[in-house]
Amino acid sequence: QKEVEQNSGPLSVPEGAIASLNCTYSDRGSQSFFWYRQYSGKSPELIMFIYSNGDKEDGRFTAQLNKASQYVSLLIRDSQPSDSATYLCAAGWNSGNTPLVFGKGTRLSVIA
Amino acid sequence: NAGVTQTPKFQVLKTGQSMTLQCAQDMNHNSMYWYRQDPGMGLRLIYYSASEGTTDKGEVPNGYNVSRLNKREFSLRLESAAPSQTSVYFCASSALRSEKLFFGSGTQLSVL
Repeated sequence: QKEVEQNSGPLSVPEGAIASLNCTYSDRGSQSFFWYRQYSGKSPELIMFIYSNGDKEDGRFTAQLNKASQYVSLLIRDSQPSDSATYLCAAGWNSGNTPLVFGKGTRLSVIA
Repeated sequence: NAGVTQTPKFQVLKTGQSMTLQCAQDMNHNSMYWYRQDPGMGLRLIYYSASEGTTDKGEVPNGYNVSRLNKREFSLRLESAAPSQTSVYFCASSALRSEKLFFGSGTQLSVL
């Protein structure tokens, strides 16, 4: 069974702090990892993806991947109230034919 | 540029009624997907179509049927709606050999 696990939260952080969102996956064959942001009542939107071990930075967002530990994280620096949303982690197999498996999401609340 | 368009946005059905949710994408994507999202359950894949002419079951296909009408359109049909199918339904698409999903705005379905 291919599973992606996330803490449902809510994770509350003060404005300006670093928010750390975590995700683990069960299938060692997973090759690709995605973070989607979903505002309340809206559809998911892709914000980061990572394929290789290590860190990948894009603006205030950093995705981290540790394949040995089967662990993916998303760091949000200088968190803003506008970052308050549910963050969905997904794992893929880079095959083009096997759909992504999503975690249940972590709700983040940034307190002004 | 519309992206992924879903209709209707809201629907209320009585138990036993049938309906079809429509999805169209204008990005020339090969793959299309139908997900449902329930509180605390994340995104669960109902059916997907890796390419025009093919469809496959996802995690929760029971009670649903799909049709990949052409490359642009992928419809989801509920033949006899049940209260357990009350959910938010998202259609998504992805380009050839890409796992990056683009989502429609969703359909809020209530079955009474």
